[in-house]
Amino acid sequence: QSALTQPRSVSGSPGQSVTISCTGTSSDVGGYNYVSWYQQHPGSTPKLMIFDVNKRPSGVPHRFSGSKSGNTASLTISGLQAEDEAEYYCCSYAGRYTPVVFGGGTKLTVL
Amino acid sequence: QVQLVQSGAEVKEPGASVKVSCKASGYTFTHYYMHWVRQAPGQGLEWMGIINPNGGSTTYAENFQGRVIMTSDTSTSTVYMELSSLRSEDTAMYYCTRVFDWNDVWFDPWGQGSLVTVSS
Repeated sequence: QSALTQPRSVSGSPGQSVTISCTGTSSDVGGYNYVSWYQQHPGSTPKLMIFDVNKRPSGVPHRFSGSKSGNTASLTISGLQAEDEAEYYCCSYAGRYTPVVFGGGTKLTVL
Repeated sequence: QVQLVQSGAEVKEPGASVKVSCKASGYTFTHYYMHWVRQAPGQGLEWMGIINPNGGSTTYAENFQGRVIMTSDTSTSTVYMELSSLRSEDTAMYYCTRVFDWNDVWFDPWGQGSLVTVSS
């Protein structure tokens, strides 16, 4: 069982927006502004899409945005494109003794 | 550019140990922490532990306590992850990935992965 809870799957049509949630506790997501999101296509390594809750690395499209409210972080993808179809994982800092926790992953399907 | 290059695929019998390497280049090795993350076939990402190459201090995930050892060799800019008492559930892709600060969780880049298969 993963420490952070994500929906197993979400879907949307090209051009639409989708939001993927990531729910933790006050010991991880809610306690720190250190949440990141990763995109993983089948057979590929994870790719960093969002860090520190809402920052985008260079090269990541502006269509990807992150936010947080309380113990829940969210990844929003606007203007869905076919290449966005992938698995998405959230990740949070969780303190000195278990610094990293991942979500179970969300499969995004572009209809 | 920054690169993390991992060792190749391994096939091990149950009960054996495996040691995976991760050679860093393109940055000052001792300035970044290294994490190990694994992914079983069709499953999600699982954090295993972190090592500070500058001194070798480590913190391991509770699930791996007593079975994993992470080490570093500053002379070759390489970190190692050794997992012992292997069982079939340890069949997975093992990744190394770096961060700048202890509380960073923005992993970039990732090694290409090392597939470990545990089978008799």
